[in-house]
Amino acid sequence: GAGVSQSPRYKVAKRGQDVALRCDPISGHVSLFWYQQALGQGPEFLTYFQNEAQLDKSGLPSDRFFAERPEGSVSTLKIQRTQQEDSAVYLCASSLSTSGGNEQFFGPGTRLTVL
Amino acid sequence: AQSVTQLGSHVSVSEGALVLLRCNYSSSVPPYLFWYVQYPNQGLQLLLKYTSAATLVKGINGFEAEFKKSETSFHLTKPSAHMSDAAEYFCAVTHSGAGSYQLTFGKGTKLSVIP
Repeated sequence: GAGVSQSPRYKVAKRGQDVALRCDPISGHVSLFWYQQALGQGPEFLTYFQNEAQLDKSGLPSDRFFAERPEGSVSTLKIQRTQQEDSAVYLCASSLSTSGGNEQFFGPGTRLTVL
Repeated sequence: AQSVTQLGSHVSVSEGALVLLRCNYSSSVPPYLFWYVQYPNQGLQLLLKYTSAATLVKGINGFEAEFKKSETSFHLTKPSAHMSDAAEYFCAVTHSGAGSYQLTFGKGTKLSVIP
């Protein structure tokens, strides 16, 4: 079966541009997470959705970051006025239920480079 | 609050030797613990998880980990390293309480296997 997919896989943006990163979770998965992985670091939590509801956005680094999941499936992470410090791999993960013990399935990530 | 410390950002072992990757956690509620592996330019793949059942957990590819509450540790081991084990390994913690279930990751340990 299909896993979590993300697009684009690579994105180069000039500083100040807006970007949109897409995540297609595994069908039927209720929970969806976004993480940011800087070079040489572990992933860090950005935001969490349960179906279409964004229940936790405490990890978003600034108000330039915005995420949505309007129909409870596909999610988009938008970064406005990109800065060089936004360069990172953005990982999306989905999980079957809301239990903390459930495995999160990760996509391959989108590598964002801001010039 | 929860956190993970992985001792050693880079570990080298000879092919056939024991692999030991260290992970210590901090959590104010009973934790769920995970080990993920990441190959270059790929997403994270779950190796194994602890969710309060057996303290010795067996995972894929011959890996196992033991949850030791008294030591707040969850070290990953494999009796005999294979060349294909070369990758980056991340320990992560989430919790069994209420709220969102974002994973908190360590900074990762890069495993090199010497032929």
